[in-house]
Amino acid sequence: EPEVTQTPSHQVTQMGQEVILRCVPISNHLYFYWYRQILGQKVEFLVSFYNNEISEKSEIFDDQFSVERPDGSNFTLKIRSTKLEDSAMYFCASSEWVPETQYFGPGTRLLVL
Amino acid sequence: DQQVKQNSPSLSVQEGRISILNCDYTNSMFDYFLWYKKYPAEGPTFLISISSIKDKNEDGRFTVFLNKSAKHLSLHIVPSQPGDSAVYFCAAHHTGNQFYFGTGTSLTVIP
Repeated sequence: EPEVTQTPSHQVTQMGQEVILRCVPISNHLYFYWYRQILGQKVEFLVSFYNNEISEKSEIFDDQFSVERPDGSNFTLKIRSTKLEDSAMYFCASSEWVPETQYFGPGTRLLVL
Repeated sequence: DQQVKQNSPSLSVQEGRISILNCDYTNSMFDYFLWYKKYPAEGPTFLISISSIKDKNEDGRFTVFLNKSAKHLSLHIVPSQPGDSAVYFCAAHHTGNQFYFGTGTSLTVIP
């Protein structure tokens, strides 16, 4: 069964450093998403991406965040200058259409020290 | 702005009994609702969905009920099994590509 994969599973970084979280969505899906979940809190929408551009983003997705689909299979989330409060589980998801079921990856746990 | 609320952070149910997980929303423009199940250290897994044109959708042991006038949906699991123990999130969608998630309810099914 096709699945969304994410790398790395865990990332530890120093405050102020740049991190890139990688995702490989399901191959025939057209919509891609990043979510985050701070420990003990709800899953929060960050951004959706369609047709090689951001289609929607939340207030959380400020200038320090960017997304890219560099090669037609990977979907990346870059955090330019990490802050302590960026520590969270980051989930990538993809869907064939909207609204349709989003399939989530296993997540990347980011810890900013 | 908490548009989707799950007011019960946890629920314990005896194996074989019915589990009822509740979700309330504030935005009457939501037109599609989903339930996800999440195990520790894994991403959310889709469980069941319902469009706003329906009031019930059933899939095996899982049934979702939608009460639009009350802006309330619920997930019924019957009979509950120990493997159902997980965190359950409801999510809602309206125009655009954003889904709004609730805070989750941790279900424990006691053998």
